Amino acid sequence: DGGITQSPKYLFRKEGQNVTLSCEQNLNHDAMYWYRQDPGQGLRLIYYSQIVNDFQKGDIAEGYSVSREKKESFPLTVTSAQKNPTAFYLCASTPGSLNTEAFFGQGTRLTVV
Amino acid sequence: AQSVAQPEDQVNVAEGNPLTVKCTYSVSGNPYLFWYVQYPNRGLQFLLKYITGDNLVKGSYGFEAEFNKSQTSFHLKKPSALVSDSALYFCAVRHGSSGNTPLVFGKGTRLSVIA
Repeated sequence: DGGITQSPKYLFRKEGQNVTLSCEQNLNHDAMYWYRQDPGQGLRLIYYSQIVNDFQKGDIAEGYSVSREKKESFPLTVTSAQKNPTAFYLCASTPGSLNTEAFFGQGTRLTVV
Repeated sequence: AQSVAQPEDQVNVAEGNPLTVKCTYSVSGNPYLFWYVQYPNRGLQFLLKYITGDNLVKGSYGFEAEFNKSQTSFHLKKPSALVSDSALYFCAVRHGSSGNTPLVFGKGTRLSVIA
């Protein structure tokens, strides 16, 4: 089945650690996105990539980093510079057509312990 | 910049009654509008979209939405609510010349259907 796979589902991080969230898609989509979800704040865009080896900052990129070495993969690293990383992280992709919806993974819940 | 507003944090409705979840948008030019639903600790599921054409759009699970250009609104509706419709609903807009432009989301509306 085609889709977007995020792993792990739950992740715990100690303060000062970097952690990497995985996002893989087998939909052959060009673009991929990372959103952060906090209660009452909706989804906020962290980074997005429209093509391999290229990516752009979203509204809340500080403290995060990404790479896009392969079309299928768009990992997100939450660095120690992100002061409040506890949140639900969602990865999405789109095929490139203006009238096509975004497809989402099942999310990763990150908790700082 | 494009934006979406969902004026209600919470909507309560009795099972069997009609439901409406409100959304207004702000973009320059033609909007591409979307509704998604989210169940606890899950990703977003696509419900329906407005691209062009008929102002009444039909989607999954009996949901529909009405696009109103003069009021810049795209309200989600269902004639008869089910308890299983209880979830978090997001309205989103895309505007741009590329299909790879990110979606901009509202803050979400929590729908509670009471038996």
